[in-house]
Amino acid sequence: DSGVTQTPKHLITATGQRVTLRCSPRSGDLSVYWYQQSLDQGLQFLIQYYNGEERAKGNILERFSAQQFPDLHSELNLSSLELGDSALYFCASSVSGFAGNTIYFGEGSWLTVV
Amino acid sequence: AQKITQTQPGMFVQEKEAVTLDCTYDTSDPSYGLFWYKQPSSGEMIFLIYQGSYDQQNATEGRYSLNFQKARKSANLVISASQLGDSAMYFCAMRDNYGQNFVFGPGTRLSVLP
Repeated sequence: DSGVTQTPKHLITATGQRVTLRCSPRSGDLSVYWYQQSLDQGLQFLIQYYNGEERAKGNILERFSAQQFPDLHSELNLSSLELGDSALYFCASSVSGFAGNTIYFGEGSWLTVV
Repeated sequence: AQKITQTQPGMFVQEKEAVTLDCTYDTSDPSYGLFWYKQPSSGEMIFLIYQGSYDQQNATEGRYSLNFQKARKSANLVISASQLGDSAMYFCAMRDNYGQNFVFGPGTRLSVLP
């Protein structure tokens, strides 16, 4: 158990819908990362937050948004869903954003868009 | 820009033998961290081992060791005494202090044969 909690574990939704994925980081970790893993794209970095503020942005679509709340949990919002958004979405956390800090992953949220 | 290369899409190893998974990286930051993760078929990402760019000795964690060759920018993972449970995808990752985000390679699928 990494200590990173993600909900829901599995989600099936229709095209055009909106979903919210939730992440609770490990106790004491201030940085939260979101990644998307699909079969043809590998592991893609989406966005990073540090102590409530956006720190880095990767290949995140405009239809996607995220935030980190004062209690440090984070949510990833996916809207106007398309079939291609079907993927495994990971949340990860680390103490800070420095090079030496290990990132620990949650178990992921499997999203299927039908 | 940061980049991770894993040139072996798939590897086979006999049970109880050692195997080396290759990883090369590219960064202009003198301070960086290198990481290996294991992803079994169940999907979770499991942290295995970490090597800092200024570490003098190669990192070891149980049956895992990291063959760090800084001049060649390589960070190969060595798994000794392979077990059937080692069959999984293995990802090399890097973070430097410039990029802030965590960059992953495309992964190597390891299959351990009985």
